[in-house]
Amino acid sequence: GAGVSQSPSNKVTEKGKDVELRCDPISGHTALYWYRQSLGQGLEFLIYFQGNSAPDKSGLPSDRFSAERTGGSVSTLTIQRTQQEDSAVYLCASSLAGQTRYGYTFGSGTRLTVV
Amino acid sequence: AQSVTQLGSHVSVSEGALVLLRCNYSSSVPPYLFWYVQYPNQGLQLLLKYTSAATLVKGINGFEAEFKKSETSFHLTKPSAHMSDAAEYFCAVSEDFGNEKLTFGTGTRLTIIP
Repeated sequence: GAGVSQSPSNKVTEKGKDVELRCDPISGHTALYWYRQSLGQGLEFLIYFQGNSAPDKSGLPSDRFSAERTGGSVSTLTIQRTQQEDSAVYLCASSLAGQTRYGYTFGSGTRLTVV
Repeated sequence: AQSVTQLGSHVSVSEGALVLLRCNYSSSVPPYLFWYVQYPNQGLQLLLKYTSAATLVKGINGFEAEFKKSETSFHLTKPSAHMSDAAEYFCAVSEDFGNEKLTFGTGTRLTIIP
């Protein structure tokens, strides 16, 4: 596609439920990133996929968080047993491998509210 | 690991005045530095980037930034603020060559006073 697409744009869930957030990167971008933006905070790195390499999961805050990327394209971020502190905007970005100097292209984000 | 510090979480300037948003990076010279802008309810948009080709970098919407090694800074400026510049601005730094991860600052919210 022309840009990075994220769905849903808004998600309200009850505490304790599982949620799945989807990211569809720009076609041909082999690098995909997930960040979390909490109210008044900067962007917190979560996870990074690069081609067929093992993902960099160093930013995942707990084992309730996981992500996968199927077929080197679409990625799903899953949060199990959601907590109120998980409420945030989850941003996905993609880039060409080895082309960090051009920066990332971000999606519009998914606003997650846990009630 | 690389890091960036943005001084001032909120900056207000009058329309037509100079915009100056500050960013300092950690002591080791990073491969790349970036400024992103985020308008309400949108994702981040790349404003400009430093890739060592030139220390003064020009971006979109009349913004520019100068890389100063002696000051470990990459401040963002615009000579004359416009109402449409109201947004949140993030400075970001790349980790190392071969590592694609970017580390972002905490952001500066720019308000334009009519």
